[in-house]
Amino acid sequence: EAGVAQSPRYKIIEKRQSVAFWCNPISGHATLYWYQQILGQGPKLLIQFQNNGVVDDSQLPKDRFSAERLKGVDSTLKIQPAKLEDSAVYLCASSLMSGGNTEAFFGQGTRLTVV
Amino acid sequence: SQQGEEDPQALSIQEGENATMNCSYKTSINNLQWYRQNSGRGLVHLILIRSNEREKHSGRLRVTLDTSKKSSSLLITASRAADTASYFCATHLSGNTPLVFGKGTRLSVIA
Repeated sequence: EAGVAQSPRYKIIEKRQSVAFWCNPISGHATLYWYQQILGQGPKLLIQFQNNGVVDDSQLPKDRFSAERLKGVDSTLKIQPAKLEDSAVYLCASSLMSGGNTEAFFGQGTRLTVV
Repeated sequence: SQQGEEDPQALSIQEGENATMNCSYKTSINNLQWYRQNSGRGLVHLILIRSNEREKHSGRLRVTLDTSKKSSSLLITASRAADTASYFCATHLSGNTPLVFGKGTRLSVIA
């Protein structure tokens, strides 16, 4: 089966600019996650979707970050405006369901550098 | 906040040796999962252990879970250079909660 697709793979922007990341989960997976992984640390959850509804966005910096999952399939994560500390790898993952005994499948991630 | 904490933070061993990584967590869980991340790549699921299970095997991997101590261990036997990666534990609490990751253990296997 096709895996989780993310684009772009790399992005370099200046601070205060805007950026958007795209994720296409595995077909049929109801749950979609966005994680932020700063170098040397573990992935930190930003937002979890169940179909097209938000389940958990408690750690999403809503003053600058936004995410949507239209039609319960693809998702986009936007940062506006970006700060230097947003430099990280942004990982998208999907799973068949949440709360159950299922694994998450990860994309290759988007490496963002803010200069 | 991060639920799991891996120990050690870094581990260096010779090829052929066994590698053991530990994970401690804070609250009751539905299941605990281990993931591997090679440099510059996404995470790959290794094994899932449910809260009512004590031990699981998958190839050269052995995972144990002690819910009374809120801890898990991942054993990689007969390690290979290709096992060099970061290893993360992740916990699923209950219901519709997200998968929460620890900070990881960086394993280096020297040929």
